[in-house]
Amino acid sequence: TQLLEQSPQFLSIQEGENLTVYCNSSSVFSSLQWYRQEPGEGPVLLVTVVTGGEVKKLKRLTFQFGDARKDSSLHITAAQPGDTGLYLCAGISGGSYIPTFGRGTSLIVHP
Amino acid sequence: DTAVSQTPKYLVTQMGNDKSIKCEQNLGHDTMYWYKQDSKKFLKIMFSYNNKELIINETVPNRFSPKSPDKAHLNLHINSLELGDSAVYFCASSQVPDRAIEAFFGQGTRLTVV
Repeated sequence: TQLLEQSPQFLSIQEGENLTVYCNSSSVFSSLQWYRQEPGEGPVLLVTVVTGGEVKKLKRLTFQFGDARKDSSLHITAAQPGDTGLYLCAGISGGSYIPTFGRGTSLIVHP
Repeated sequence: DTAVSQTPKYLVTQMGNDKSIKCEQNLGHDTMYWYKQDSKKFLKIMFSYNNKELIINETVPNRFSPKSPDKAHLNLHINSLELGDSAVYFCASSQVPDRAIEAFFGQGTRLTVV
């Protein structure tokens, strides 16, 4: 089983601050995804990165896939209370193509 | 219209009982999954079906038996429930798996075994 480590596990910040969440593995992935999960709901896909070194932007969110395709980061600029949620990274390997999830980063943004 | 729907949303039952969770997707996807999310929010794959055929069965006790009557439905039956089975169970679906797949999740079923 390929393990994905996310850090930090918990993050509590004030509105307007910047933050970065990390997702690391010793395994190489074909692609890596970031999902956000809100309380009482299922995860919702934010982005998929497929090329080593790839950077994708989604409004105030910037996602990067490591050059070796073993790690990824999510950076949020000027966080807002609406960004509150559980952020999950998921690696996809070339074998089964089943998303394998990290343990998540729980983000709270205070107004 | 809900893309992936699970019923029930909440399930409270006693140890030793048998229960089922139903899942239906109206996205026309070929692949469906069951994930278990524990109290620490870790989301772990349990089963994956592609066109009604089992393709992934992680180390799950055989008390858990998935059933796929057609490719739009993947139900989960659990026999002899134990306290440790308490968790949130998510059904998901996707198109034919590839490296850019998007998995669509249901709202989850919170199972509490007492």
